[in-house]
Amino acid sequence: SYVLTQPPSVSVAPGQTARITCGGDDIGSKSVHWYQQKPGQAPVQVVYDDSDRPSGIPGRFSGSNSGNTATLTISTVAAGDEADYYCQVWHSRSDHYVFGTGTKVTVL
Amino acid sequence: EVQLVESGGGLVKPGGSLRLSCVVSGFKFSSYTMNWVRQAPGKGLEWVSFISTSSSYIYYADSVKGRFTISRDNARNSLYLHMNSLRAEDTALYYCARVGSGYDDPHDHWGQGTQVTVTS
Repeated sequence: SYVLTQPPSVSVAPGQTARITCGGDDIGSKSVHWYQQKPGQAPVQVVYDDSDRPSGIPGRFSGSNSGNTATLTISTVAAGDEADYYCQVWHSRSDHYVFGTGTKVTVL
Repeated sequence: EVQLVESGGGLVKPGGSLRLSCVVSGFKFSSYTMNWVRQAPGKGLEWVSFISTSSSYIYYADSVKGRFTISRDNARNSLYLHMNSLRAEDTALYYCARVGSGYDDPHDHWGQGTQVTVTS
């Protein structure tokens, strides 16, 4: 089965940059989507198709994808960005959707 | 406004059954593929099942294949998940999510979830 590996946690000071990685075999050949989930709430997409932002998502959120690693970057981190973040792909060989293991972002 | 509202969750004994529903509004349901995604307490997101616009293509996670059945009624703007032979490890918050027209489109709208608890 296809596995997407994320670091369990990332800590960042306010105003700094947080980078969350998502590792998977040849993930660079797939479209990667990122979701933010705050406690008690449903997930919300923050980046889709590797690097596009849905309307309403601040430009501080950006994404990249190459080789075996996709990255979500949050610039100028604010307290409101504290949440769990998940990457996700469609794995066509198995006809399965796959979510990453999730990363908890803590703003110090 | 796009809305997805799940219902049907509850407390059930191991081996029991439940049917979850997701009623949508604010978009043309028949034009979108749909997924069920679940989240066990304190755990991450786990994809459960996919259904295409006309129900021609249906996929399941290995953990639920043979026990769960996904279906939809485009006339009623409704998505369903029939869950049989429930196990303790099926305990989770179950979300329905809208996907685009392509398999690799993002889950762009989610419901608030319905809780399923399997316990004796």
